[in-house]
Amino acid sequence: GEEVAQTPKHLVRGEGQKAKLYCAPIKGHSYVFWYQQVLKNEFKFLISFQNENVFDETGMPKERFSAKCLPNSPCSLEIQATKLEDSAVYFCASSQSYGRGPSPTSQPQHFGDGTRLSIL
Amino acid sequence: AQSVTQLDSQVPVFEEAPVELRCNYSSSVSVYLFWYVQYPNQGLQLLLKYLSGSTLVKGINGFEAEFNKSQTSFHLRKPSVHISDTAEYFCAVTYNFNKFYFGSGTKLNVKP
Repeated sequence: GEEVAQTPKHLVRGEGQKAKLYCAPIKGHSYVFWYQQVLKNEFKFLISFQNENVFDETGMPKERFSAKCLPNSPCSLEIQATKLEDSAVYFCASSQSYGRGPSPTSQPQHFGDGTRLSIL
Repeated sequence: AQSVTQLDSQVPVFEEAPVELRCNYSSSVSVYLFWYVQYPNQGLQLLLKYLSGSTLVKGINGFEAEFNKSQTSFHLRKPSVHISDTAEYFCAVTYNFNKFYFGSGTKLNVKP
């Protein structure tokens, strides 16, 4: 598709339950990024993928958070045993394949509309 | 490491007035700079980007920004704002296009 599609738009879970968020990148984009936005503050980088391979996971909490990008499937971000502080809007972004710097075809990230996760 | 500072959390301005949203960054390496806009309940939309070349960059919706390396700034400007420009604006930097670092955002409130 022409847009990054995130589902669901809203997700409500009780504390301790599992939450799973999905992201379909723009067709032809090789990179997928996940960000967490808490209380309208700055976006915190979580993890990035190059196709189905983890590219950078330095922002991912060591426990409870996991993510996958499998061929022919939407990417997913899963949170086990959710906590109140996991409440946030989770944004997915995708971008075209490129090298380590700008080129005439370099494209910044295209963002989805986000999934609002509320932990009660 | 990279970081981005947007000093103004909110900027109120009257319609048709000029506006400047400030962005300063810190980095030990060369970076590439971006401004995004976020409308309510939506994701980020790219306004403009600086990769190289002319330090004055023009974007969509009449916005422009100037990269100032000596002051490590990338302030966003518009000579005459509209009500429809009311939104939150985020400055972002990256040095390798893998990880983007965002500022905390500036809410622009355009009043009639």
